[in-house]
Amino acid sequence: GQNIDQPTEMTATEGAIVQINCTYQTSGFNGLFWYQQHAGEAPTFLSYNVLDGLEEKGRFSSFLSRSKGYSYLLLKELQMKDSASYLCAVMDSNYQLIWGAGTKLIIKP
Amino acid sequence: IAGITQAPTSQILAAGRRMTLRCTQDMRHNAMYWYRQDLGLGLRLIHYSNTAGTTGKGEVPDGYSVSRANTDDFPLTLASAVPSQTSVYFCASSDRVGSYNEQFFGPGTRLTVL
Repeated sequence: GQNIDQPTEMTATEGAIVQINCTYQTSGFNGLFWYQQHAGEAPTFLSYNVLDGLEEKGRFSSFLSRSKGYSYLLLKELQMKDSASYLCAVMDSNYQLIWGAGTKLIIKP
Repeated sequence: IAGITQAPTSQILAAGRRMTLRCTQDMRHNAMYWYRQDLGLGLRLIHYSNTAGTTGKGEVPDGYSVSRANTDDFPLTLASAVPSQTSVYFCASSDRVGSYNEQFFGPGTRLTVL
């Protein structure tokens, strides 16, 4: 079967750094996506990795290791507005997205 | 219209009733998707359409049907609603099907079936 695992909830302090992990087992691999979803809102795209390594985009970075079936999203200089759920999704061999349940990130002052 | 719109925003529905959730995009995207999101579960694909005139079944298609008569519209119909279809429904679109396939989401419809 196909499976995406990520922690249910994490807590971090404003101004700090947090790493959200995602492990996956899917039928084929055509890239890994991270989305941000604020409570009551739609998911919005953050990043895409298809090759191993780190992709940096401002305060957010995403890492991929295909051999380990592992990715992480790194958020630096945390702000209160970063309080949201972070969704990991893998594109399988049929070019469909398989989604993790999401990690709820709570930022404390 | 900018992006994707969905209607209604929320709905309470009696079991056994028929309901159509509407989705319209103005980005001229080829591919469109319907997901449901339930607490503790990831987004689950109900149906998809890679291009106008074609549709396909996702992970949880039972009890739902879709049509794609044109590029912009992708309605989702519940023929006879049941309480287990209580969920938040998101419509999404992407420019094409392929490796880099960022999906853009509508604001969602919160459906309660009693």
